[in-house]
Amino acid sequence: DQQVKQNSPSLSVQEGRISILNCDYTNSMFDYFLWYKKYPAEGPTFLISISSIKDKNEDGRFTVFLNKSAKHLSLHIVPSQPGDSAVYFCAATGGSGGSNYKLTFGKGTLLTVNP
Amino acid sequence: NAGVTQTPKFQVLKTGQSMTLQCAQDMNHNSMYWYRQDPGMGLRLIYYSASEGTTDKGEVPNGYNVSRLNKREFSLRLESAAPSQTSVYFCASRRGDEKLFFGSGTQLSVL
Repeated sequence: DQQVKQNSPSLSVQEGRISILNCDYTNSMFDYFLWYKKYPAEGPTFLISISSIKDKNEDGRFTVFLNKSAKHLSLHIVPSQPGDSAVYFCAATGGSGGSNYKLTFGKGTLLTVNP
Repeated sequence: NAGVTQTPKFQVLKTGQSMTLQCAQDMNHNSMYWYRQDPGMGLRLIYYSASEGTTDKGEVPNGYNVSRLNKREFSLRLESAAPSQTSVYFCASRRGDEKLFFGSGTQLSVL
């Protein structure tokens, strides 16, 4: 039972254009969402997050949008740069008891930004 | 500031051998985690420790044991390695907010 889903294994965009990465979740107890970026042979690094009390959060070129009714979030990267090429993981947390300590990750989307 | 340090970075085992993956963090974080990453499977939680002295199972705990030695250190042990445990293992920690900090990973091959 996959609670966090990233249905696109890969995405390819041109440098300078917008990259949109999507994520869906099924657990209505999730109330905090994060995006992580991972380069080969490195650990994932935190990129941006959003609380369920918001519907948008921006940090420079990165914006995350949350649609709670649809249980959907998306990460927008504008403009995309070749250095953004990496695997992006969506993660979620929330709920009572031990669930609050655990982050559940999606399977990841490989973004390739072509020069 | 080293953050989260994992050792070793690479390891090759034969089926049935045992080993311990070490993890230490210097950020005074309360919670620590072990994840594994497999192709097409994302990051799956093996075990976590919400605070010193406590450990709990995650999504895929079978075949593993953990020890929260103190606030800094959280080790993962494979008692009898199996080929299905070939994976990249990541240790992570967080203080009390929601952001996880990850180590650089241990690539484990079980032959």
